[in-house]
Parts: sequence; C-alpha cells; structure tokens
Amino acid sequence: EAGVAQSPRYKIIEKRQSVAFWCNPISGHATLYWYQQILGQGPKLLIQFQNNGVVDDSQLPKDRFSAERLKGVDSTLKIQPAKLEDSAVYLCASSTADTQYFGPGTRLTVL
Amino acid sequence: GQQVMQIPQYQHVQEGEDFTTYCNSSTTLSNIQWYKQRPGGHPVFLIQLVKSGEVKKQKRLTFQFGEAKKNSSLHITATQTTDVGTYFCISGGYQKVTFGIGTKLQVIP
Repeated sequence: EAGVAQSPRYKIIEKRQSVAFWCNPISGHATLYWYQQILGQGPKLLIQFQNNGVVDDSQLPKDRFSAERLKGVDSTLKIQPAKLEDSAVYLCASSTADTQYFGPGTRLTVL
Repeated sequence: GQQVMQIPQYQHVQEGEDFTTYCNSSTTLSNIQWYKQRPGGHPVFLIQLVKSGEVKKQKRLTFQFGEAKKNSSLHITATQTTDVGTYFCISGGYQKVTFGIGTKLQVIP
C-alpha cells in the first residue's frame, strides 16, 4: 500500500513570497490533516478535512494560510505571504478511523 | 479530542537500560494512541489502546492503559540506539486531535 505523498520535500523562500504544498493521501482515506511542526515542538494541527469538507481549521492563520481539498482526495496548503516564523516542517496525514498515517513532510525555510 | 500531559519531556538512558514515558489526563479518555518520531522523520503510529487496563506488547515495547482510562504508559525494555526519537501520546477520534510536546529519548551507546 502506498503511503502519504507530499511535495516538495524542501522549499526555501524569502519572506513575503508565496508557497504551496501538495499532499496525496492514502487511497480511500476520507480524513486528511495538515500539521505545522516547529523544531523541538509537537505537530500542531492547522486544518482537518473530512472528504472535501473542513472539520477543524481553528488554528489555521487564515489571513495568510489557505487549504483546499478538491474532490476529496489531494490537498494543497498555501502560505501567502510567508513570514519568518512560518519556517517549519509541514506534515500531511490521512486516516480512515483514529490512526493517522503521516507523509514525509515539507521542510520550509523562510529567509 | 482531549489533551494529555506527557512526562518526562526528556530522558537520557544508557543503552540497555529501561525507559518509561507516561501520559496523564484529568478526564476519562476514549482511547490513547502512541506515535514515534525519529530525528528528522515524521510521526509513525505505534499502537492504539481502547479498553480499560489494556496491555499490549510489541517486542521490547509494552503499552498500558490505566484502569480508569485516564493514564497510559510506554515502557521500553533494554533500550537500543534505534529507540532514539520522540514519543507522543494523543487521544481522540476524528476531531481536535492534539499532539503534546512528547518525550524525547536519547540513548547513549
């Protein structure tokens, strides 16, 4: 079974630029999560989708972050414009029940 | 989901020593899940406990869920350098799952 795919794996941008991350969940997984993990901290949930509907986006900084999951499969997370404090690993996970399966993450560095 | 507190935050052990991390909640938990994240890696699911007093083993790892379903522990017997990483416990179902800071385990060869 293929795992959760994410791209790119690494991204370096300057502050105020825009960036987008892509996630392809495990086939058949209805729930998709985006997390932000800052170095030394646990993953922080940004947004959770159930199929193509948003379940929880209470911690998503909506003035600069946006996410969509068209057709209930792939998802994209966008940051526009980026700030220095957005430097982190962005993890995507998917699940069918409680167990979450994580992708390798995208390491974002904002200069 | 419900937030659980995890202790200790850091643990250094000599290779071959045992290691235990604990998760505690003030409220009854529906379930508890354990994840491991290697340095530079992503969280990997280890196990889920659902029943009161449940004990599960995976080779050198023993997971317990308290009788009152308010606490859980992960015990590693005779640690190896491959056990290095951060161990997270979380609770919850579909909604509002919250990861804490976890327990960072360092194994000294």
